[in-house]
Amino acid sequence: NAGVMQNPRHLVRRRGQEARLRCSPMKGHSHVYWYRQLPEEGLKFMVYLQKENIIDESGMPKERFSAEFPKEGPSILRIQQVVRGDSAAYFCASSPGDLQPQHFGDGTRLSIL
Amino acid sequence: KQEVTQIPAALSVPEGENLVLNCSFTDSAIYNLQWFRQDPGKGLTSLLLIQSSQREQTSGRLNASLDKSSGRSTLYIAASQPGDSATYLCSGSARQLTFGSGTQLTVLP
Repeated sequence: NAGVMQNPRHLVRRRGQEARLRCSPMKGHSHVYWYRQLPEEGLKFMVYLQKENIIDESGMPKERFSAEFPKEGPSILRIQQVVRGDSAAYFCASSPGDLQPQHFGDGTRLSIL
Repeated sequence: KQEVTQIPAALSVPEGENLVLNCSFTDSAIYNLQWFRQDPGKGLTSLLLIQSSQREQTSGRLNASLDKSSGRSTLYIAASQPGDSATYLCSGSARQLTFGSGTQLTVLP
């Protein structure tokens, strides 16, 4: 019974590069959520996806950030042209359905040089 | 817009003490209230979930209560142990989770 799997655990990018963060939900879970934890700040919701659909992206920055959850494969959070302010821990959670308890992965720590 | 506040921000207690962590939220239209634990460099581990229709939940030495009318929840930890040292987060949820900034707990041996 593998939990939510995120990779990589640590990612280092230079300013202007692209960052791709992956999340495989728990088996049987079709709902995925992405959260960001900036240094010295709390966790903030970014986006909520079901298979092939974005349900709520109200927490996503308007530019450079995108997310997908394809029919096959993991959910991807993509950050284009990264800047220093993107340095944070990005957490993925999954649930079996809407309004069901969310289970979290260990996060990806993104560092921008 | 839901806002969640946790006090205290940090707490240090000697081993064996009972303690209470507080959480308040502004929007009583939550679906459930969840307490998590976060260890350094790790993700979140769910401790207790209280449905909006419930008043409290218990698991081992942990007890969480929910008072929707006042917008408050408390997490009670009995007989604290050094292994309880972590950051404790509460979240109110409709569909997305809204987190407080957490209480950083240190239990001294």
